[in-house]
Amino acid sequence: GENVEQHPSTLSVQEGDSAVIKCTYSDSASNYFPWYKQELGKRPQLIIDIRSNVGEKKDQRIAVTLNKTAKHFSLHITETQPEDSAVYFCAASRGGGADGLTFGKGTHLIIQP
Amino acid sequence: AAGVIQSPRHLIKEKRETATLKCYPIPRHDTVYWYQQGPGQDPQFLISFYEKMQSDKGSIPDRFSAQQFSDYHSELNMSSLELGDSALYFCASSLGLEETQYFGPGTRLLVL
Repeated sequence: GENVEQHPSTLSVQEGDSAVIKCTYSDSASNYFPWYKQELGKRPQLIIDIRSNVGEKKDQRIAVTLNKTAKHFSLHITETQPEDSAVYFCAASRGGGADGLTFGKGTHLIIQP
Repeated sequence: AAGVIQSPRHLIKEKRETATLKCYPIPRHDTVYWYQQGPGQDPQFLISFYEKMQSDKGSIPDRFSAQQFSDYHSELNMSSLELGDSALYFCASSLGLEETQYFGPGTRLLVL
């Protein structure tokens, strides 16, 4: 089955700086890669997703890049704000068939004021 | 906008008891997914349904079963509960076979 590895497990950045979280996946058939933000005790919230026919996607301060050859995708957050503090999960699935998501272990992002 | 609804939000059970969790997807969504998230862990996929048929299966224990009904709501039935079943259980829904999954607020299950 799919295996998703995520790094780092904890990331502390100064407010206003950029944050980068990286994930790798093992199943070459995976073609859907969402990122979720989860605050303590709350639901995972989708912040951005990318499909395998796209190399990069941007939404305001958030961007995701995908390298299918290397089986690697990354989340970039620019101009970080205190409200960005949360746990971020990357995930992967084959998509298109009600497939379950395989999540990475999560990154605890801390924005230092 | 209407979101995924889960009930109950909190549940306390004793070991070896049974529990039923309910999920009401976003209106018009016909695909439902169940996930289990232990403390400090990532969500683990359990099972999914599309148009009332089981679609994908993950790490769901044999003690658990689920189904999707004609109105597309889903129920997760958990029997012979164990201490290790204590977790947050999330339901997510999507429209048809679109990949984007929207999560509900979760049910926090505590097994004593």
